[in-house]
Amino acid sequence: QVQLQESGPGLVKPSQTLSLTCTVSGGSISSGDYYWNWIRQHPGRGLEWIAHISYTGYTYYNPSLKSRVTISSDTSKDQFSLKLSSLTVADGAMYYCARARGDNKPVDLWGQGTLVTVSS
Amino acid sequence: DIQMTQSPSTLSASVGDRVTITCRANWGIGNWLAWYQQKPGKAPKLLIYKTSSLESGVPSRFSGSGYGTEFTLTITSLQPDDFATYYCQHYNSYPWTFGQGTKVEIK
Repeated sequence: QVQLQESGPGLVKPSQTLSLTCTVSGGSISSGDYYWNWIRQHPGRGLEWIAHISYTGYTYYNPSLKSRVTISSDTSKDQFSLKLSSLTVADGAMYYCARARGDNKPVDLWGQGTLVTVSS
Repeated sequence: DIQMTQSPSTLSASVGDRVTITCRANWGIGNWLAWYQQKPGKAPKLLIYKTSSLESGVPSRFSGSGYGTEFTLTITSLQPDDFATYYCQHYNSYPWTFGQGTKVEIK
């Protein structure tokens, strides 16, 4: 079955850019009508949707992060990626990649998450 | 942004209890609402989508209802595996937002 796996650095310095990659196995990110998402969760707190990219490359960003976020995909590798710039301590969180069934559709599949700490 | 507010924040219950969690939106979202269950150290798991549709494999003791701005998640007979944190999420418009969560703990 389809699985998602995040990868990236666990520790980044303030002001730097975070780069995370999600590898999709058992399926293709360019098949179906899926939207591929990044969602984060601050320790002990709720969930924050960051951005998604569709199977056609359409992107949408959370306005609260839009100026610092870029989402992209590499269909040849069945991967999609997140870049978050100008990091502060407040960006430290668990970052999940996840699949939604489409626009106006729920998130039905999540990666296990990768914990990112922002510290000098 | 549409704000989602869950109540209560914490709920203490016993096995076999009927449990109800409420989620309110500060703007109408139709029936574009999902519920997720999250256990410590794990990613959320989709339980219900489009307010009342049960995700495949989810036990029938879970149900959802509502429309517009007020929604509920009900667990008819709480099981040991159900002690977790539950989140609502709207996907009516961007940005998608989540409730702050309701932790269901053992009484």
